Amino acid sequence: KNEVEQSPQNLTAQEGEFITINCSYSVGISALHWLQQHPGGGIVSLFMLSSGKKKHGRLIATINIQEKHSSLHITASHPRDSAVYICAVLKETSGSRLTFGEGTQLTVNP
Amino acid sequence: NAGVTQTPKFRVLKTGQSMTLLCAQDMNHEYMYWYRQDPGMGLRLIHYSVGEGTTAKGEVPDGYNVSRLKKQNFLLGLESAAPSQTSVYFCASSWKPNTEAFFGQGTRLTVV
Repeated sequence: KNEVEQSPQNLTAQEGEFITINCSYSVGISALHWLQQHPGGGIVSLFMLSSGKKKHGRLIATINIQEKHSSLHITASHPRDSAVYICAVLKETSGSRLTFGEGTQLTVNP
Repeated sequence: NAGVTQTPKFRVLKTGQSMTLLCAQDMNHEYMYWYRQDPGMGLRLIHYSVGEGTTAKGEVPDGYNVSRLKKQNFLLGLESAAPSQTSVYFCASSWKPNTEAFFGQGTRLTVV
C-alpha cells in the first residue's frame, strides 16, 4: 500500500463547480506539499503546509494532522485549472526527501 | 528569473549509450533532487544532494550516477542506458526540505 494515497484518480467537472481533491497518508510527516502539473509537463508548487489551512486566490488547502489527511479545494473552477494535482509529504523519518502520491487528473470543461 | 533549468528537454538514446542531464538553479538553494516520473506511478527519487560536494541515493538509484561539483548545478548521468530508463526526468531544488520546492520543466528520455 502506498504511503500517500490520492482520491479521486480522475475528476471531470463543469466550469464553475467547486472541486475537492483528497490526500491521505499513513506516516508521520513534518510537511505536506500540493503541486500542479500542467499538460506541458512542468510542475509548480501550490502550497506547503504543516497545519491548518492556506488560501491563494481560488485555491484552498487544508490539513488535519491527527487524521493524516489533506484536501485541496478549487472554487469557481475554470478550464485553465485542468492539470494533474500531486500531493507529496515530507516524512518525519526521511530527512530531506519527499514521498509523492500518484496524482489526480482534473479536467474542467467549459 | 530562470529558476530551475534542465537540459536537454528531449533525447532519444540507443541501448548502451551514455548521457548526462544537467540541472541548473539560480536561487542559491542547498537541496537538489533528481526524480523520474512513469505512468501510473508517483514521482520517484533517484538521487539527491544536500549541498555542494554531497550526493545521496534515493529510492531508485541503480543505473544512475550524480555529481554536484558546483552549488548551482546537479548532473545526472546514465552510463549505459537501458529501455527501463525511458521516463520523464525532473530536477527540483529547495532552500530547505520543508520549504517550497522548485521544479525544472522535465526531460523526456526514450531509450530504444
